[in-house]
Amino acid sequence: QKEVEQNSGPLSVPEGAIASLNCTYSDRGSQSFFWYRQYSGKSPELIMSIYSNGDKEDGRFTAQLNKASQYVSLLIRDSQPSDSATYLCAVRNDYKLSFGAGTTVTVRA
Amino acid sequence: GAGVSQTPSNKVTEKGKYVELRCDPISGHTALYWYRQSLGQGPEFLIYFQGTGAADDSGLPNDRFFAVRPEGSVSTLKIQRTERGDSAVYLCASSLEPSRGGYTFGSGTRLTVV
Repeated sequence: QKEVEQNSGPLSVPEGAIASLNCTYSDRGSQSFFWYRQYSGKSPELIMSIYSNGDKEDGRFTAQLNKASQYVSLLIRDSQPSDSATYLCAVRNDYKLSFGAGTTVTVRA
Repeated sequence: GAGVSQTPSNKVTEKGKYVELRCDPISGHTALYWYRQSLGQGPEFLIYFQGTGAADDSGLPNDRFFAVRPEGSVSTLKIQRTERGDSAVYLCASSLEPSRGGYTFGSGTRLTVV
């Protein structure tokens, strides 16, 4: 079992819709949880951090964490073509980040 | 500079050759990380430096890979006898530690072994 698993893509959504991305992790001791956005040919960019159960909102992005279910999600509201990218879920234990394989999102104009 | 700087941005080398990849962290950051990202995968941990010493090198795939950080700032990842399977993007990040936050990656070095 991989440490971090993401729902397989690609995910195609129309402009203005909500994109929903899911991630599960295996280590119950994980302390911090992140979403990175990666455009083609670029390095991952940190867009959301979440450390405690519940929701965290930042603009059009909402991260949700449920430690009991070992589940993290990212919602992108009012999706824009500029949101088209691969989204990586990452989980931190001590100093080390473990990443999922990513979900590619395409926003159709 | 303001961010993590990696050079070169692209490197093409022949199978069997030796390569060095450089990472210049954010000034004052004591922790430095190397990750490797293969096509279609998330980044995978290679090595973590705290200061000058490698605190965890468990992610280095084999003894052809080695990394140094002699003065606690710039780090060099060295790959001997390169193989086609080493082709990937090598990412570096730095941070202040201890921390629980995510870290910011440099722009990466795309290594292609032909």
